[in-house]
Amino acid sequence: EPEVTQTPSHQVTQMGQEVILRCVPISNHLYFYWYRQILGQKVEFLVSFYNNEISEKSEIFDDQFSVERPDGSNFTLKIRSTKLEDSAMYFCASSGGIINTGELFFGEGSRLTVL
Amino acid sequence: AQTVTQSQPEMSVQEAETVTLSCTYDTSENNYYLFWYKQPPSRQMILVIRQEAYKQQNATENRFSVNFQKAAKSFSLKISDSQLGDTAMYFCAFMIRRGGSEKLVFGKGTKLTVNP
Repeated sequence: EPEVTQTPSHQVTQMGQEVILRCVPISNHLYFYWYRQILGQKVEFLVSFYNNEISEKSEIFDDQFSVERPDGSNFTLKIRSTKLEDSAMYFCASSGGIINTGELFFGEGSRLTVL
Repeated sequence: AQTVTQSQPEMSVQEAETVTLSCTYDTSENNYYLFWYKQPPSRQMILVIRQEAYKQQNATENRFSVNFQKAAKSFSLKISDSQLGDTAMYFCAFMIRRGGSEKLVFGKGTKLTVNP
């Protein structure tokens, strides 16, 4: 069964460093998302991406964040200068296949730890 | 703004028994979708069940069913004949579909433990 894959599963970085989280969405999907979950808190929407551009972003998604679909298969989230409060689990998701039921398919997440 | 509230941070149930997880939401929209997602330990979230707001009939998926009360903005999940594999975090989520965006708003989750 097709699935969303994310790398790395866990990344530890120093504050101020750049981080790129990678995702391979399901191949025939059209909508792509990043969500994050700070430990013990709810899953929060960061950004949605459709037709090669951001369709919606949350207040969390400030200028330090960017997304890219560089090669038609990968979907990346870049944090330019990480802060301690960026420590969280980051989930990629995709949706909108041939039969679009509205279901989002999630990856297993990338745990980011900022020291 | 849409909000989703899950008032039960943790619940437990004996194997083979029935448990109900509660969820309420707030929106001024009329057409929307509601979901329950399950997140087993160290695994990705997977869809358990979905409900379109325009449908009056409650969704059912094998042992999982919902009680959707649109006027009360309530969307509870009932798990019948609970199994050990049902142990997970359960997230209630709300979605409005607009062109180019299908954003989910999640509740804080309910940690369900099924005891043998």
